Amino acid sequence: DARVTQTPRHKVTEMGQEVTMRCQPILGHNTVFWYRQTMMQGLELLAYFRNRAPLDDSGMPKDRFSAEMPDATLATLKIQPSEPRDSAVYFCASAQGASGELFFGEGSRLTVL
Amino acid sequence: AQKITQTQPGMFVQEKEAVTLDCTYDTSDQSYGLFWYKQPSSGEMIFLIYQGSYDEQNATEGRYSLNFQKARKSANLVISASQLGDSAMYFCAMREFNSGGSNYKLTFGKGTLLTVNP
Repeated sequence: DARVTQTPRHKVTEMGQEVTMRCQPILGHNTVFWYRQTMMQGLELLAYFRNRAPLDDSGMPKDRFSAEMPDATLATLKIQPSEPRDSAVYFCASAQGASGELFFGEGSRLTVL
Repeated sequence: AQKITQTQPGMFVQEKEAVTLDCTYDTSDQSYGLFWYKQPSSGEMIFLIYQGSYDEQNATEGRYSLNFQKARKSANLVISASQLGDSAMYFCAMREFNSGGSNYKLTFGKGTLLTVNP
């Protein structure tokens, strides 16, 4: 059963700490997305990659967030330093091609104290 | 301007009745796709149905159908014979295919929380 795998599922950290979230897309999917979900803003696109190349990271605060795809089976989203306003659920999603549906991971719930 | 507008923050429906969740969108592209996702309280995002802008027939998937009115730029989700398990947040989303580098991302609406009453 192919699925997008995200780790960690839950993370509680203190302000100023580095947080790294990982995502394993579905094998064969060449487009990977990072979304952030909060009550106030809903689902916001942070960044996405196609064939491992970053296509758009305009939704991401550049001073503290970074997203990479070191290889086709791993995408990472890093926050350094973390702040309480980063508390949210972070979703990774993958898709095959430009027109396919997005398959979402279960999300990483981040709480920054 | 909002790309995707869902005007109903919350909706209630009786079990076994049909319900329509509204979605309007804003795009100048001729080629685009519209999606609906369901998010139950457990948090996962579940794909429900897709409609392409050039599709002449309204999309259907089991109890889900999409009422696509292109001239009005609306893509309402219709759930027939509601079940208790349909209680969830529902998101409408759009992908624009002619927007240069933006032709892969999905832009989501704020969602509608559907509650199915027994």
